[in-house]
Amino acid sequence: EVQLLESGGGLVQPGGSLRLSCAASGFTLTSYAMTWVRQAPGKGLEWVSLISGSGHTTYSADSVKGRFTISRDSSKNTLSLQMNSLRVDDTAVYYCAKDGGIGGAFDFWGQGTMVTVSS
Amino acid sequence: SYVLIQPPSVSVAPGKTARITCGGNSVGDKSVNWYQQKPGQAPVLIVYYDSDRPSGIPERFSGSDSGNTATLTISRVEAGDEADYYCQVWDNDSDHYVFGTGTRVTVL
Repeated sequence: EVQLLESGGGLVQPGGSLRLSCAASGFTLTSYAMTWVRQAPGKGLEWVSLISGSGHTTYSADSVKGRFTISRDSSKNTLSLQMNSLRVDDTAVYYCAKDGGIGGAFDFWGQGTMVTVSS
Repeated sequence: SYVLIQPPSVSVAPGKTARITCGGNSVGDKSVNWYQQKPGQAPVLIVYYDSDRPSGIPERFSGSDSGNTATLTISRVEAGDEADYYCQVWDNDSDHYVFGTGTRVTVL
């Protein structure tokens, strides 16, 4: 059974850093592209960052480029999102999701972890 | 940047049909995916590759995609279908995923 479990969220001051993790089970991370999606309180879904199955290619939304870095640890089957220079508008629930490999659809999602950026 | 526009809300009576549009420039040339999100829960994939359904998703959910509009159709609407729905595509020009603005479906 595929499961994704995020952790690492919390309260951080503007300008601070936070590292999110997503522990995957039931499949091998290196076989699929993985992505982070966020949702600000009361708002819609926003794609954040993608890492290819090979790990050689990453893409990020313009809103986080240069501040957020997606990576993975194949030995731990874990996806990560390093978030630096955090801003108030980065406040959101962050979800990790698995790319099903067809049409760019995300077929499994974690339950999300809340990140609050506030002074 | 590529934009997908959805109506903010759709209301439908039980047993009737709900149609949710997703408008974007030549979206018919892209593969469109649809997600259902209930309050406090993670999104769930309900349609992928324009019109395919993952296992476990009822046939009442169907998708189509042509020209500048993709459509999610929910037939024989049930109270449990009340949720937010999002369309999503991959934009090759920007190498970005894009989500639609989202539609809240209310069952009357």
